[in-house]
Amino acid sequence: AQSVTQLGSHVSVSEGALVLLRCNYSSSVPPYLFWYVQYPNQGLQLLLKYTSAATLVKGINGFEAEFKKSETSFHLTKPSAHMSDAAEYFCAVTEGFGNEKLTFGTGTRLTIIP
Amino acid sequence: DTGVSQDPRHKITKRGQNVTFRCDPISEHNRLYWYRQTLGQGPEFLTYFQNEAQLEKSRLLSDRFSAERPKGSFSTLEIQRTEQGDSAMYLCASSRRSEGDTQYFGPGTRLTVL
Repeated sequence: AQSVTQLGSHVSVSEGALVLLRCNYSSSVPPYLFWYVQYPNQGLQLLLKYTSAATLVKGINGFEAEFKKSETSFHLTKPSAHMSDAAEYFCAVTEGFGNEKLTFGTGTRLTIIP
Repeated sequence: DTGVSQDPRHKITKRGQNVTFRCDPISEHNRLYWYRQTLGQGPEFLTYFQNEAQLEKSRLLSDRFSAERPKGSFSTLEIQRTEQGDSAMYLCASSRRSEGDTQYFGPGTRLTVL
């Protein structure tokens, strides 16, 4: 069984500061990993995904994430936070190989301080 | 690409009533997924279809829940005899049939059971 742990349900950073959102996964097989963003009263939008190609994945809006198998981590970063980054962020994993359902973490709410 | 659409966006019902939600996937996507998201949690998988075949159902999907995708295009999710615990956001997503492919989410239907 696979699971996802997001450390920190709430993260606050100052505008212009580094954003770091943590995600650790457990999976019995090499996973596919995703970060989604959710704005209030909206569905989820894909930020980026890892599918066993390059371990450093670049996404939209300046976000990137690094897959570290030894640490079973897939942390999301952005060098300089913008006010528009305030949202809920979800890490998710799917095992692939015909098992495509996403297993999500509980989410991290990102607040940007002006 | 018009995206995944869901109807209605909001539904308020009284306990014991039946409700039905509709999801229209992206046109060339043959996989369709339903998830449920409660307040403060990440989405949880309910069921998914490949074309018209329902391939997997979560234990979360009690006997009161039924999902269909009759012609492999749109899907409906029906909840019979609603309970207050059914109050949640119901999210639909679609993807192409390929491993690790991105699931694109609709805006969701927010159900409130009084």
